[in-house]
Formats: sequence, C-alpha cells, structure tokens
Amino acid sequence: GENVEQHPSTLSVQEGDSAVIKCTYSDSASNYFPWYKQELGKGPQLIIDIRSNVGEKKDQRIAVTLNKTAKHFSLHITETQPEDSAVYFCAASSLNYGQNFVFGPGTRLSVLP
Amino acid sequence: KAGVTQTPRYLIKTRGQQVTLSCSPISGHRSVSWYQQTPGQGLQFLFEYFSETQRNKGNFPGRFSGRQFSNSRSEMNVSTLELGDSALYLCASSFYLRQEYNSPLHFGNGTRLTVT
Repeated sequence: GENVEQHPSTLSVQEGDSAVIKCTYSDSASNYFPWYKQELGKGPQLIIDIRSNVGEKKDQRIAVTLNKTAKHFSLHITETQPEDSAVYFCAASSLNYGQNFVFGPGTRLSVLP
Repeated sequence: KAGVTQTPRYLIKTRGQQVTLSCSPISGHRSVSWYQQTPGQGLQFLFEYFSETQRNKGNFPGRFSGRQFSNSRSEMNVSTLELGDSALYLCASSFYLRQEYNSPLHFGNGTRLTVT
C-alpha cells in the first residue's frame, strides 16, 4: 500500500520568511495530492491540492510542486504570518484505493513574530 | 453552505462499553469517510461510504463499524471499547464525481473520545 513520509516534523520561522515542507510517496499510482492545515481544536482544512498532470500550483502565498519521477511533492508558504502557525499534513490518494487518503505524519509550523 | 457537522464533540466512556458517533456531511456530498487521529499513529483511514455502501475499509478490527443513511448522514460505532481507542475521530465528506477523479476531503472538527 501507499506510504507517505513528511519532513520536517517541526519547523520554526521568523514572520515574513518562507517555509517549505516536503513529502514523499511510495505508490507510483498515486495521482492526487492535497495539503491540509489543522489548528488546535479543529479538523484539518484543505489549503491547496495538486493532481499528477500538473507540476506546480499557486494560490496567493501558498504553492505546491510535484515531481512525479522522484515521487516528491512540497508545500511552499511565502511571507509567513503568525496565523500560519498550525500543523500541516500532506496526503496522497490513488484511484486504486478510491477516496482512501494516506496522510503524512504532519509538520508543526511555528511562525515567530 | 454548512460544513461537516460531528456530534458529540466530546465523549468519555469506560472500557468494554460501546459508542456511536454521528456525522452530517456537506449538503450534496455523497461520500463520507472516517479517520482516527492519534499522536502516535497520526491520521488513519477507517472506512468510506458512498450511497449507503461501504466502498473502502482501512486496517482496523471488526469492532469498528459504520453505516450511511439515504440522506448521506453517517454513523460509526465502536464496540467493546479499549483504552487504545482513545482518539479524535474525524469525519470527512467529499463531492465524489466519478471513479476516475478523486475529490478533496472536507473534515468536521471531530469527536474526541476518551476511554477510561
């Protein structure tokens, strides 16, 4: 089955700096890669996603890149703000498994003012 | 549009008891999935329902079960509770278009289950 690794597990940045979180997946059949942000006491919230036919996607300060050959995908947050502090999860899914998503272990991002 | 609603938010149960959690998906979403979240194991897939049928099941014992109703609302049940079942149980719905196209999950805020 699919296995998703995520690094780093914790990340501290100064406000205004950029943050990068990296994930790798094992199943070459995976074709959809969403990213979620989870704040304390809440469920994960979708922030951006990318499909395997696209190499990069941007939404304001957030971008995701995908390297299918290397089975890597990354989340990039620019101009970080204190409200970006949260736990971020990457995930992968394959049509072989339907709506069964495999999540990475998470990255706790702290943005220091 | 209302989000995914899970009830109750908190539950405290004793070992050996059973529990039922409820989930109301986003209007129009027919796929409902359940995940268990723990500090040690992270987010783990329990099962997914679509049109009242279980389509996928994760690697959990048979004590964990679920069902979906004709209005897409879903419940999950855990019988003979164990201490290790203490976790945040998350429900997620999605607007599943077709088998060839996975859709993003939209999560509720979860039910925090504590087993003593």
